[in-house]
Amino acid sequence: DAMVIQNPRYQVTQFGKPVTLSCSQTLNHNVMYWYQQKSSQAPKLLFHYYDKDFNNEADTPDNFQSRRPNTSFCFLDIRSPGLGDAAMYLCATSDGGKASGGSNEQFFGPGTRLTVL
Amino acid sequence: QQQVKQSPQSLIVQKGGISIINCAYENTAFDYFPWYQQFPGKGPALLIAIRPDVSEKKEGRFTISFNKSAKQFSLHIMDSQPGDSATYFCAASWGAQKLVFGQGTRLTINP
Repeated sequence: DAMVIQNPRYQVTQFGKPVTLSCSQTLNHNVMYWYQQKSSQAPKLLFHYYDKDFNNEADTPDNFQSRRPNTSFCFLDIRSPGLGDAAMYLCATSDGGKASGGSNEQFFGPGTRLTVL
Repeated sequence: QQQVKQSPQSLIVQKGGISIINCAYENTAFDYFPWYQQFPGKGPALLIAIRPDVSEKKEGRFTISFNKSAKQFSLHIMDSQPGDSATYFCAASWGAQKLVFGQGTRLTINP
């Protein structure tokens, strides 16, 4: 089945130790998103790629970076994780409205739960 | 103007009852209104979505009611079941722009 895959599902890191989360998709969607979701809150968009074009949200800390080496893969790098970065990180994809008539239907992965010790 | 306001924050419904979650928006440019369902430890999953050219959309036990003039839309879950217990997010977007999420509603269905 076509899907959005995130690895690892659970990641434990130490305060200040860089960590990379990965996302892959078999949907061949041109748009990929990274969200941060804290307990009992809505997903918060960090940034997204429209094809190779990177779009950063204004309030995303510099500590968060992303790479998209090809259509299928996207990575979230947290350069120096702090305790406040402990959260669920969600990857999502969409076809940018091309096949969906202008809608922005997003397909989410299962998420990576990040714990910072 | 970019906000989507969702209520209630939490909701408890008896099995077999009707669950109703409401959302309101300000930006009249929004043209796509999805509802996402999220179980603990999982990513959100698209449940049902509507465009503003229709006032209602039904898929099984789930119905979206849309009131364009009031800038409000709601999710109705008929014959609510314990398996429906989850967090529900409304959202809105325009064109192929990013989604604006509501704050979420934690729904509990008591057996």
